[in-house]
Amino acid sequence: GAGVSQSPSNKVTEKGKDVELRCDPISGHTALYWYRQSLGQGLEFLIYFQGNSAPDKSGLPSDRFSAERTGGSVSTLTIQRTQQEDSAVYLCASSEGWGQGYEQYFGPGTRLTVT
Amino acid sequence: AQKITQTQPGMFVQEKEAVTLDCTYDTSDPSYGLFWYKQPSSGEMIFLIYQGSYDQQNATEGRYSLNFQKARKSANLVISASQLGDSAMYFCAMIPIQGAQKLVFGQGTRLTINP
Repeated sequence: GAGVSQSPSNKVTEKGKDVELRCDPISGHTALYWYRQSLGQGLEFLIYFQGNSAPDKSGLPSDRFSAERTGGSVSTLTIQRTQQEDSAVYLCASSEGWGQGYEQYFGPGTRLTVT
Repeated sequence: AQKITQTQPGMFVQEKEAVTLDCTYDTSDPSYGLFWYKQPSSGEMIFLIYQGSYDQQNATEGRYSLNFQKARKSANLVISASQLGDSAMYFCAMIPIQGAQKLVFGQGTRLTINP
């Protein structure tokens, strides 16, 4: 079956512009996660969803970052007024549930470059 | 809070040799899960193996095994009979069984298999 997909695969934007990153999880997966991978910070958690609700938003770096999930499926990560430090690969993952033993399946990522 | 430490930034191994990638962790959670992921140059995170903190036996998945020593808080990945295709970044990660469902990653080890 289809894996996690993300779009776009690459995004170059000018500082100050808003961007939207999309994630399509594996069908039937109830949990969805966003991570960011950058050279200086490694892999860091941003937010996760149980269904359409986000119990933990503690990883979002600032109030410029927001995410939503609709219909228990597609999720969008929005970054407003992008800054150069937002440049990174944004990874989405999904799992059948949450807790012990639920493997998180990752998508290919969106490489964001802010110029 | 959880913390993962991978002390080997890079490793070079001859093809067909076994290799051990080190991972130590720190957590106050009574139960947790430990994961290893492989990230080839294509960028996608590939799940390799999982170990639950209360599992009595060390996990194995084909050529991968996890040397779990709970008292020492270590979860080393062992790859037997290494292959050229094993060259990649390897990340150790952990997740609490309860509470915020976010993977905490180590900094990674870049493994290079030489022919």
